[in-house]
Amino acid sequence: NAGVMQNPRHLVRRRGQEARLRCSPMKGHSHVYWYRQLPEEGLKFMVYLQKENIIDESGMPKERFSAEFPKEGPSILRIQQVVRGDSAAYFCASSPQGLPEKLFFGSGTQLSVL
Amino acid sequence: AQSVTQLDSHVSVSEGTPVLLRCNYSSSYSPSLFWYVQHPNKGLQLLLKYTSAATLVKGINGFEAEFKKSETSFHLTKPSAHMSDAAEYFCVVSESNAGNMLTFGGGTRLMVKP
Repeated sequence: NAGVMQNPRHLVRRRGQEARLRCSPMKGHSHVYWYRQLPEEGLKFMVYLQKENIIDESGMPKERFSAEFPKEGPSILRIQQVVRGDSAAYFCASSPQGLPEKLFFGSGTQLSVL
Repeated sequence: AQSVTQLDSHVSVSEGTPVLLRCNYSSSYSPSLFWYVQHPNKGLQLLLKYTSAATLVKGINGFEAEFKKSETSFHLTKPSAHMSDAAEYFCVVSESNAGNMLTFGGGTRLMVKP
């Protein structure tokens, strides 16, 4: 049973480009969480999704950021018109039934904006 | 390479008694260490962090952790458990030479009995 898979591992974008980060949850998991780790800081919650639904997006910046978890395929975190401040590690976690079930984390995607 | 082992997947205590959540790490370089808590229906919250300053770190809600290099441990403690402490706890390690990517422990479920 493969763990939570995130790709790419490293993503380099120039200012103004779009970044798409993918997260494939563990098999059988229908809940996905996205977190961002800024340099020198801890993890910050961004968004919580179930299949085809956004449950809690209270941690998402109001502009340029969006997330989806379609019926088929991975969850996508999309950042439009990236800026240098978006450079961070983005982590995805999945769980089979949402909290308080156990979370399983991916290895993260390191986004670097030039 | 860095790794984290949380020695107990479940810990059960009575309200008012001490809490001990154990964490051992493996790191090639001087690591940063974190404890995160996840309450039901909430995202991850940073409890405390160690970043090569004082070895005894005090966090929120009365929690503290001691970095012991000789034992490669970073156990989380609290003198007196409250019902509201029932949650999932994650020990996390980060190395600067790993691009500050995080490695998570498997988590410990803390249950507090009345």
